[in-house]
Amino acid sequence: DQQVKQNSPSLSVQEGRISILNCDYTNSMFDYFLWYKKYPAEGPTFLISISSIKDKNEDGRFTVFLNKSAKHLSLHIVPSQPGDSAVYFCAASAGGGSNYKLTFGKGTLLTVNP
Amino acid sequence: GAVVSQHPSRVICKSGTSVKIECRSLDFQATTMFWYRQFPKQSLMLMATSNEGSKATYEQGVEKDKFLINHASLTLSTLTVTSAHPEDSSFYICSARDPEGTAFGSGTRLTVV
Repeated sequence: DQQVKQNSPSLSVQEGRISILNCDYTNSMFDYFLWYKKYPAEGPTFLISISSIKDKNEDGRFTVFLNKSAKHLSLHIVPSQPGDSAVYFCAASAGGGSNYKLTFGKGTLLTVNP
Repeated sequence: GAVVSQHPSRVICKSGTSVKIECRSLDFQATTMFWYRQFPKQSLMLMATSNEGSKATYEQGVEKDKFLINHASLTLSTLTVTSAHPEDSSFYICSARDPEGTAFGSGTRLTVV
């Protein structure tokens, strides 16, 4: 049972445009959500997170939106850059913030074309 | 930020042999480390939670006798894949709790031939 779902395995956008990566979850106990970026044969690197008490968190070009009622979150990257091309994982935890075990989605491969 | 070092980055071993993967927190003490496994085009699946000085907690479906975890110090956790088989070939990643969140190692690509 996939508790964190990223239904789009891939996304392609033009440089300078907005990239929107989506994530859905089923476990209502999740209260902390994170986005990671991963290059092949490397470990994930943290991008941005959001607590369930918020509906938006912004850090530079990255913004995460959380819709608790829909159990949906999204990562917006504006403007997209070729260096953003990577696999993006959505992750969630229950009760422990980012210091607890994380449940990951399958990832979305983002390709930003010059 | 916190750095987690994972070694080796890549290993090829023969079927039936054992392989040890090390995960070190370089600039902080990690009482808890996590081991994940990733198959191609799949999510990172949590295998076990490693607690310093105590037994690891394994996720459902993970064989504890096959994937031995030792967390003997506050900076080192090891995962040993025993009697490796080709189906154990995967990308293994460790992570550690640091004061600001979770830091990941760079991963180990295990190929069993």
